[in-house]
Amino acid sequence: DVKVTQSSRYLVKRTGEKVFLECVQDMDHENMFWYRQDPGLGLRLIYFSYDVKMKEKGDIPEGYSVSREKKERFSLILESASTNQTSMYLCASSSAQEGEETQYFGPGTRLLVL
Amino acid sequence: SQKIEQNSEALNIQEGKTATLTCNYTNYSPAYLQWYRQDPGRGPVFLLLIRENEKEKRKERLKVTFDTTLKQSLFHITASQPADSATYLCAPIGGATNKLIFGTGTLLAVQP
Repeated sequence: DVKVTQSSRYLVKRTGEKVFLECVQDMDHENMFWYRQDPGLGLRLIYFSYDVKMKEKGDIPEGYSVSREKKERFSLILESASTNQTSMYLCASSSAQEGEETQYFGPGTRLLVL
Repeated sequence: SQKIEQNSEALNIQEGKTATLTCNYTNYSPAYLQWYRQDPGRGPVFLLLIRENEKEKRKERLKVTFDTTLKQSLFHITASQPADSATYLCAPIGGATNKLIFGTGTLLAVQP
């Protein structure tokens, strides 16, 4: 079974702190994604990556950056955390093969910025 | 702009009945659409994918339809059980990034 793990389930940070959220997948997937999920807004794509060192902006990249130095690991960075970044963050991965578009999600990190 | 709409109100049904959830999309024609299940505090889990040239897809007690004329997908759970209680997310592919666009989900509550 595909396994996607996230470094923390819960995180509390202060405004202005730099925050790192880590995601690791064990299925050799090419594609990895970071979403945030907020009540009434659903999942919104922040960034995604097609390959090592490749990254593409999603729908709401402002205030975030990402890093993919190894195929299995995709990191989301909040350069200077703000209270409006309090949210549930979900990482996902998928294969790049045609017909294999299923996304596999991690358990999520609930981030609170005070 | 592309928009995905799912009924934001919770759907309450009795155990054993068929649950039907609706997903409407506007302003585009997705090549395929996926349905996911999400339990509280957890990440979504993939259930079914249906392509634009498929009218219907089944998996055990689940059935998905895809009407490209109505721009709508219906998700059915037959013989529903309390364990089916969860939020169900519709996700057509599309948008500027040609990635999945997730609806806000519909909460299904199956009463014993």
